[in-house]
Amino acid sequence: KAGVTQTPRYLIKTRGQQVTLSCSPISGHRSVSWYQQTPGQGLQFLFEYFSETQRNKGNFPGRFSGRQFSNSRSEMNVSTLELGDSALYLCASSLGLGYTFGSGTRLTVV
Amino acid sequence: AQRVTQPEKLLSVFKGAPVELKCNYSYSGSPELFWYVQYSRQRLQLLLRHISRESIKGFTADLNKGETSFHLKKPFAQEEDSAMYYCVPLISNFGNEKLTFGTGTRLTIIP
Repeated sequence: KAGVTQTPRYLIKTRGQQVTLSCSPISGHRSVSWYQQTPGQGLQFLFEYFSETQRNKGNFPGRFSGRQFSNSRSEMNVSTLELGDSALYLCASSLGLGYTFGSGTRLTVV
Repeated sequence: AQRVTQPEKLLSVFKGAPVELKCNYSYSGSPELFWYVQYSRQRLQLLLRHISRESIKGFTADLNKGETSFHLKKPFAQEEDSAMYYCVPLISNFGNEKLTFGTGTRLTIIP
């Protein structure tokens, strides 16, 4: 069975631009969570979606947003990119028995 | 404050020696606890769930509610155990849940 798929794997953007990252969960998983991983801050929770509704949100500015589609695929968007947004963005899906993570999208803001 | 603490950021152990990665938590109620592992250049993956009481790759973890600990143990370390380990509580609040990662412990097995 396919795992959690994140696209693209790597992305380079300029300050001020916006970016959209995509996550396809494991088939049947309705919960999708997003995390930001940086060397300085570690893994930080961004938000969680379940059945197209945001159920939980971390402490990130409003520039970070997300959504989930009816097929459970999720996207996260970051607007007005800052240098500090450079990170590995991880997506995880769950059926309630534990979370399965994708390989992540490495975003570099220059 | 609700948090999980992994006191050792770095831990080096000789191959064949016992390994113990410490985890203490302070959460009200009874959070579900996991150990996640991230090997070099691999994705984050679930190692253990406390409610499963299982042994994966020789690792075990016992939830001690009295000491509020969930230490990860293995009797004989192997080189392939070198990785980043995270003790992670799953916090549920009226159906909303999230994994809350601590700083993790980087385990290095010395050949």
